[in-house]
Amino acid sequence: SAVISQKPSRDICQRGTSLTIQCQVDSQVTMMFWYRQQPGQSLTLIATANQGSEATYESGFVIDKFPISRPNLTFSTLTVSNMSPEDSSIYLCSLVTEGSGSYEQYFGPGTRLTVT
Amino acid sequence: QKEVEQNSGPLSVPEGAIASLNCTYSDRGSQSFFWYRQYSGKSPELIMFIYSNGDKEDGRFTAQLNKASQYVSLLIRDSQPSDSATYLCAVKVTNAGKSTFGDGTTLTVKP
Repeated sequence: SAVISQKPSRDICQRGTSLTIQCQVDSQVTMMFWYRQQPGQSLTLIATANQGSEATYESGFVIDKFPISRPNLTFSTLTVSNMSPEDSSIYLCSLVTEGSGSYEQYFGPGTRLTVT
Repeated sequence: QKEVEQNSGPLSVPEGAIASLNCTYSDRGSQSFFWYRQYSGKSPELIMFIYSNGDKEDGRFTAQLNKASQYVSLLIRDSQPSDSATYLCAVKVTNAGKSTFGDGTTLTVKP
């Protein structure tokens, strides 16, 4: 199994400001994923963060709004820039380990963001 | 039409009964199917996954795929109150691609 920690666990921010969320993993992983889960809704993938290369963003998400860093194999950050109330959500980092016939996915505890 | 659809529920079953959760998907070429359990206020946890080649049983949980009708089911036998949670279904079209999640079904198991 993997242990993932996130900071901060929650924050209340004013519109127009930015927040950087940190994700730390207890093992080295090639790909880390950032998701958003809005209240009462399912998970939406924001981007995939590979160490040593630019993050890959999903449709509807752009680097200027959600810049991602991946300085090493155990750490990643997601910044939510120029926030608006629509960015209020839970942000989760995740990793996947996959082998022959096996698949494991772990999520961090999440960062609950409220934008006022 | 959503790519992955689930009945939002709530689904309520008595303790000891079989809970049956369904998920339909739109892409006939989907290859991998996942079920996650999410307790209120917690992160999702992966509980079952199957590939397009067959069903799987793990303890009280069984995941079944019906490719012809494009749905995947999760059966929970001998349901316990601790099974009360939201169950998310996810589908991958290719093994290397991203997962698309349904909105989840809320299950309540009554003692």
